[in-house]
Amino acid sequence: GAGVSQSPRYKVAKRGQDVALRCDPISGHVSLFWYQQALGQGPEFLTYFQNEAQLDKSGLPSDRFFAERPEGSVSTLKIQRTQQEDSAVYLCASSLRVQGGLASGANVLTFGAGSRLTVL
Amino acid sequence: DAKTTQPPSMDCAEGRAANLPCNHSTISGNEYVYWYRQIHSQGPQYIIHGLKNNETNEMASLIITEDRKSSTLILPHATLRDTAVYYCIVRATGTASKLTFGTGTRLQVTL
Repeated sequence: GAGVSQSPRYKVAKRGQDVALRCDPISGHVSLFWYQQALGQGPEFLTYFQNEAQLDKSGLPSDRFFAERPEGSVSTLKIQRTQQEDSAVYLCASSLRVQGGLASGANVLTFGAGSRLTVL
Repeated sequence: DAKTTQPPSMDCAEGRAANLPCNHSTISGNEYVYWYRQIHSQGPQYIIHGLKNNETNEMASLIITEDRKSSTLILPHATLRDTAVYYCIVRATGTASKLTFGTGTRLQVTL
């Protein structure tokens, strides 16, 4: 598609439920990032994939958060046993190139519109 | 990655130039300055980036001081659609580092 597509756009979950958020990156994009954005704050990094390999998961706040990208395209962020503090917008971004390349354009990310999660 | 400091908010009249400052006094030689913006209920949008030379594209101009410790994003003719939060980010090339967002500058363009 023309952009990064995320679904669902809005999700309401009861505390303790599991949720799955989907990201469909731009076709051919190698790099994929997940970010979490709390109300009134800037996005916070969660995890990074290069193709199917999860190279950095240092931002995942707890072991309840799990992300995968099994075929190197679509990615799913799963949150188990949701808590109220998980309420946020979850943003996915993709980039054409491998991160760390020396070309100056390598670090331009295209973001999706996000999935807004509300945990009651 | 070096930290950045931006004013929390700014106003600009429609049609005038919006000049958004950013301080990055601890920037190192291999770090680029990136600007993104986020319009309400959307994901961040890339605007422009640069290393040490001034840059211009169809959206904006980026002016980086000679010592690289600060920069200014210029929207030459602001419109109401430019109302957004603008993030200045410093990021190294040659590493697999992620973009680290601060709280940005909330630009309000008014009639």
